[in-house]
Amino acid sequence: GQNIDQPTEMTATEGAIVQINCTYQTSGFNGLFWYQQHAGEAPTFLSYNVLDGLEEKGRFSSFLSRSKGYSYLLLKELQMKDSASYLCAVRDSNYQLIWGAGTKLIIKP
Amino acid sequence: IAGITQAPTSQILAAGRRMTLRCTQDMRHNAMYWYRQDLGLGLRLIHYSNTAGTTGKGEVPDGYSVSRANTDDFPLTLASAVPSQTSVYFCASSDSPENEQFFGPGTRLTVL
Repeated sequence: GQNIDQPTEMTATEGAIVQINCTYQTSGFNGLFWYQQHAGEAPTFLSYNVLDGLEEKGRFSSFLSRSKGYSYLLLKELQMKDSASYLCAVRDSNYQLIWGAGTKLIIKP
Repeated sequence: IAGITQAPTSQILAAGRRMTLRCTQDMRHNAMYWYRQDLGLGLRLIHYSNTAGTTGKGEVPDGYSVSRANTDDFPLTLASAVPSQTSVYFCASSDSPENEQFFGPGTRLTVL
């Protein structure tokens, strides 16, 4: 079967750094996406990895290791507005996205 | 530019009733998708359409149908609603299946 695993909830302090991990087992791999979803809102695209390594975009970075079936999202200089759920999704061999249940990130002052 | 719109925003529906959730995008994206999101579960694909005139089944298609008569619209119909279809429904689009998806604001549906 296909499976995406992420921690259910994490807590971090404003100004700090947090790493959200995602492990996956899917039928084929055609890229991995990270989305942000604030409570009651739609998911919005954050990052995309298809090759191994780190992709940096401002305060957010995403890492991929295809051999390990592993990715992480790194958020630096945390702000209160970063309190949200972070969704990991893998595009499988049929080019469909398989989604993790999301990690709820709580930022404390 | 609206992006993707969905209607209604929320709906309470009696079991057994027929319901159509509307989705319209103005980005001229070829691919469109319907997901449901339930607490503790990831987004699950219901149906998709890679281009106007074609549709396909996702992970959880039973009890739902879609049509794609043109590029902009992708309605989702529940022929006879059941309580297990209580969920938040998101429509999404992308210019191709290879690219990132953009999501509408969602429809919160409660079936009693």
